[in-house]
Amino acid sequence: GESVGLHLPTLSVQEGDNSIINCAYSNSASDYFIWYKQESGKGPQFIIDIRSNMDKRQGQRVTVLLNKTVKHLSLQIAATQPGDSAVYFCAERDDYKLSFGAGTTVTVRA
Amino acid sequence: DTEVTQTPKHLVMGMTNKKSLKCEQHMGHRAMYWYKQKAKKPPELMFVYSYEKLSINESVPSRFSPECPNSSLLNLHLHALQPEDSALYLCASSQMGSGSSGELFFGEGSRLTVL
Repeated sequence: GESVGLHLPTLSVQEGDNSIINCAYSNSASDYFIWYKQESGKGPQFIIDIRSNMDKRQGQRVTVLLNKTVKHLSLQIAATQPGDSAVYFCAERDDYKLSFGAGTTVTVRA
Repeated sequence: DTEVTQTPKHLVMGMTNKKSLKCEQHMGHRAMYWYKQKAKKPPELMFVYSYEKLSINESVPSRFSPECPNSSLLNLHLHALQPEDSALYLCASSQMGSGSSGELFFGEGSRLTVL
């Protein structure tokens, strides 16, 4: 079946630096792409989404980029903070089915 | 109120037991979901209910039986589970309708251990 996957399982970043988390997807029929953050012991928390007809969307300290040519999605976090340490999942939505990629564990170094 | 509440938070059961996981939301969402998450893995979709009717069943074994009594409640009935069913079970809800990303709001999960 088609699935969403992340390029790197772990990412270590210095506090204050920018983080970039990447994801590759394969389902061209997906209408939305979404980033979730999951902290230890908690459920996934929505960060930002992007519709399939857009290339870029910005939120507070986060930017999502969508490259449909190479089926690539990325999440940029500006000025990474200790509270950003978590597992980040990209997900794609096809109708009411939301499928998650493998996840990237981000660790912020003080 | 933007919460999805799941109970119990932890459940330990034997393979012959019958138990239920419960989920409640009061955001007026008409789509509700059950996901299963194993350690260090992404959530895997099990079931989707839309307008209280089962719309997606991802080939889940019949020992898992979902139920949606009303638009605010979602249950997952468990019977004759196996140790490999031990996992975090996540409930989520979302709005429905075109033009919406259908952002899923997740509960904190019920951690199930099958002995």
